[in-house]
Amino acid sequence: QQQVKQSPQSLIVQKGGISIINCAYENTAFDYFPWYQQFPGKGPALLIAIRPDVSEKKEGRFTISFNKSAKQFSLHIMDSQPGDSATYFCAALQAGTALIFGKGTTLSVSS
Amino acid sequence: GAGVSQSPRYKVAKRGQDVALRCDPISGHVSLFWYQQALGQGPEFLTYFQNEAQLDKSGLPSDRFFAERPEGSVSTLKIQRTQQEDSAVYLCASTWGGDYGYTFGSGTRLTVV
Repeated sequence: QQQVKQSPQSLIVQKGGISIINCAYENTAFDYFPWYQQFPGKGPALLIAIRPDVSEKKEGRFTISFNKSAKQFSLHIMDSQPGDSATYFCAALQAGTALIFGKGTTLSVSS
Repeated sequence: GAGVSQSPRYKVAKRGQDVALRCDPISGHVSLFWYQQALGQGPEFLTYFQNEAQLDKSGLPSDRFFAERPEGSVSTLKIQRTQQEDSAVYLCASTWGGDYGYTFGSGTRLTVV
């Protein structure tokens, strides 16, 4: 059973557009929801994270929106740039356990 | 060190061969995690250490997989009698334990032929 479901699998966005990636979870004990960015040949790098007591967090062009009642959270990348082309993973964690990742979204930003 | 270091970066093993993958976490980081990432997939949890204690090994796919962290710093993931399905990138991450912000290494790409 997949604990964190991510969509879409791939995404193509024009330069300057908004990229939106969605994730859903089932386990209400999760208390930390990060997004990771991964470039080919590199490990995932933490991009931004949110706790369930907050509905939105913004860092630069990246925003997480969190809907606790729907058990969903999403990543918005504003003014998408070619350098944002990478694979993005949502994840979730329950205290005392390890991060569980979604299957990933490959983002391509066309110039 | 400045980051999590993994070696080797690439490993080609013949089926049936034993391999050992090394992870040097960030100095002072208490928690260390191993993940397996198949091509085009998200990282899958393998095992987790807090200092030298292996607290969770529920993700290890078979008894051919073994991990250790004897002095609470460097960790080694060993795979015995490698099979083709073991081909993947093996990622190591560490955190100082009080936060949830994992820092990942670049991984070891294992190819079993």
